[in-house]
Amino acid sequence: DAMVIQNPRYQVTQFGKPVTLSCSQTLNHNVMYWYQQKSSQAPKLLFHYYDKDFNNEADTPDNFQSRRPNTSFCFLDIRSPGLGDAAMYLCATSRDVVFEQFFGPGTRLTVL
Amino acid sequence: GIQVEQSPPDLILQEGANSTLRCNFSDSVNNLQWFHQNPWGQLINLFYIPSGTKQNGRLSATTVATERYSLLYISSSQTTDSGVYFCAVERGKSTFGDGTTLTVKP
Repeated sequence: DAMVIQNPRYQVTQFGKPVTLSCSQTLNHNVMYWYQQKSSQAPKLLFHYYDKDFNNEADTPDNFQSRRPNTSFCFLDIRSPGLGDAAMYLCATSRDVVFEQFFGPGTRLTVL
Repeated sequence: GIQVEQSPPDLILQEGANSTLRCNFSDSVNNLQWFHQNPWGQLINLFYIPSGTKQNGRLSATTVATERYSLLYISSSQTTDSGVYFCAVERGKSTFGDGTTLTVKP
């Protein structure tokens, strides 16, 4: 089945220690998104890639970076995680920005 | 940016009851989706519905784009329907409402 895969499902890191979260897709979609969802809040868009074109949201902290080496994979890098970065990180894909989004299962990040 | 408001914020039902969840948005949108977030945090697609009406089993949705709202109907609710329901719209960027937390009691 075509799907969106996120690894790992749970990630524990230390304060200030860089961490990378991974997302892959078998849908061959053009757009890949990263969202942050804190406890009892709505998902918040961090950035998205349309093919290789990176689109950052204005209020996304510089601490968050992303890479998309090919169509299938997209990475979220948190350069120096703080306690406030503990959250669920959700990856999604869509054929185009106005089309239906499909989400992966998420990675729950804990910062100690 | 666009504002997305969902109501009610919380809803408690007995199994078998029907419910209506509402999503209001402040400007025209390119698309609108309804999701159910399961207890493990995954967002499950319910409807992609920028306009019109769709049905899928006990669930149906209607979006009236000209009046900037969408409704999600759940009939004969079951305990497995419990969770958070989000609507999300796209207008230059993807924006989620704050969700409705549904609890269905046996």
